[in-house]
Amino acid sequence: EDQVTQSPEALRLQEGESSSLNCSYTVSGLRGLFWYRQDPGKGPEFLFTLYSAGEEKEKERLKATLTKKESFLHITAPKPEDSATYLCAVITGNQFYFGTGTSLTVIP
Amino acid sequence: DVKVTQSSRYLVKRTGEKVFLECVQDMDHENMFWYRQDPGLGLRLIYFSYDVKMKEKGDIPEGYSVSREKKERFSLILESASTNQTSMYLCAARGDSPLHFGNGTRLTVT
Repeated sequence: EDQVTQSPEALRLQEGESSSLNCSYTVSGLRGLFWYRQDPGKGPEFLFTLYSAGEEKEKERLKATLTKKESFLHITAPKPEDSATYLCAVITGNQFYFGTGTSLTVIP
Repeated sequence: DVKVTQSSRYLVKRTGEKVFLECVQDMDHENMFWYRQDPGLGLRLIYFSYDVKMKEKGDIPEGYSVSREKKERFSLILESASTNQTSMYLCAARGDSPLHFGNGTRLTVT
C-alpha cells in the first residue's frame, strides 16, 4: 500500500538549534516529492520539489534532500518565524499522497 | 505568481443546508482538486477535475459534488450539510508539478 509517514509529529527547538524532519515513503513509481509549509488557519505553501535520489534543494534556512526511501528537511539555525507545520507529499502516476505533517515550534 | 483564491475563509452553516465552496485559479491549469483537512487525518481528496466539465471521485466523495463550468473555477457542493462535514476545505490547482493551494475555508456545520 502506498503511504507517506512523517516524523516526528511535533518538534520543539530553541532558536538556533538545528534539526531535521523526516518523510519516509513506500510508493511505486515515484514521480516527485514535495515539501510544504502550513501556518495555522492557512493553506499549505509550496517549498520544494525533489525528483530523484541524491537531489537537494535549499531556501534560506531550509534544505531538502531525497533518497530512495525518504526525504529530510534540514532546518539550520531556526528562528521563531520558522514555526509551522511542514507537510510532505509524493506523487505517483497522477495520485498525490500526503503525510500528516510535523508541527515545528521554535522557542526564542 | 501562482494564485488560488477561495471565496470564503470562514463559513457557519446549519445541518441540512446546501453549501457552495468556490475556488478560482489564475494560472490556466487544467487540474484542480478539493481536499479536506482534519487533525490527525491529514489531507484527504474529495474530488478532482482534469478539464472543464470533467470530474473524478477522490477518496471521500460521499456527501459532496463538484462543478467545473469554466477552466478557472472549481466549486465544491455539500448537498445537505452534516456536522461530520465540519472541517478545513482546501482547493488546489496543478500544472506540471506541485499542487498550489488556496488559503482554505473553515466550515462549521451546526
